[in-house]
Amino acid sequence: GENVEQHPSTLSVQEGDSAVIKCTYSDSASNYFPWYKQELGKGPQLIIDIRSNVGEKKDQRIAVTLNKTAKHFSLHITETQPEDSAVYFCAANPSGYGQNFVFGPGTRLSVLP
Amino acid sequence: KAGVTQTPRYLIKTRGQQVTLSCSPISGHRSVSWYQQTPGQGLQFLFEYFSETQRNKGNFPGRFSGRQFSNSRSEMNVSTLELGDSALYLCASSLRQGTGELFFGEGSRLTVL
Repeated sequence: GENVEQHPSTLSVQEGDSAVIKCTYSDSASNYFPWYKQELGKGPQLIIDIRSNVGEKKDQRIAVTLNKTAKHFSLHITETQPEDSAVYFCAANPSGYGQNFVFGPGTRLSVLP
Repeated sequence: KAGVTQTPRYLIKTRGQQVTLSCSPISGHRSVSWYQQTPGQGLQFLFEYFSETQRNKGNFPGRFSGRQFSNSRSEMNVSTLELGDSALYLCASSLRQGTGELFFGEGSRLTVL
């Protein structure tokens, strides 16, 4: 079945710096790759997603890149702010349809003021 | 618009008991999925429901079951609780069946003693 790896597990950056989180997946049938942010005591919240027919997507300070050949995708956050501190999860959809996502283990991002 | 509502938010059970968790999706959302979140295993897919029918099921034992009602509300049940069932159970809803954004609730935190 699908396996999603995520690195690093923890990441500390200074406010204003950039942060990059990388994920790899194993199932070539996966065609949808969302990123979720989870703050303490809350459920995950979608921050950006990308489909397999697109190589890059950007939304203000957040961008995601996808390399289908290498089966990896990355989250880029620029000009980080303290409120970006949270746990970030990447995910892949192994069936290419439905909501049975396989999530990565998460990255705890700390933005130091 | 109200978000996904999960009840109860916290509960404590003992081994061998059973538990029922409830989820009310965002108004108009017809698809509901459930995930288990633990420190060791991360986010793992349990079930997906659409129009009262289970569309996908994760790799969990038969002690885990669920259902969806005609108003799209969903319940999940865990029978014969084990210590390892202690987790945050997250419900997510989406507007339609198929891959897309999941809107998560804040979860029901189950502790099994």
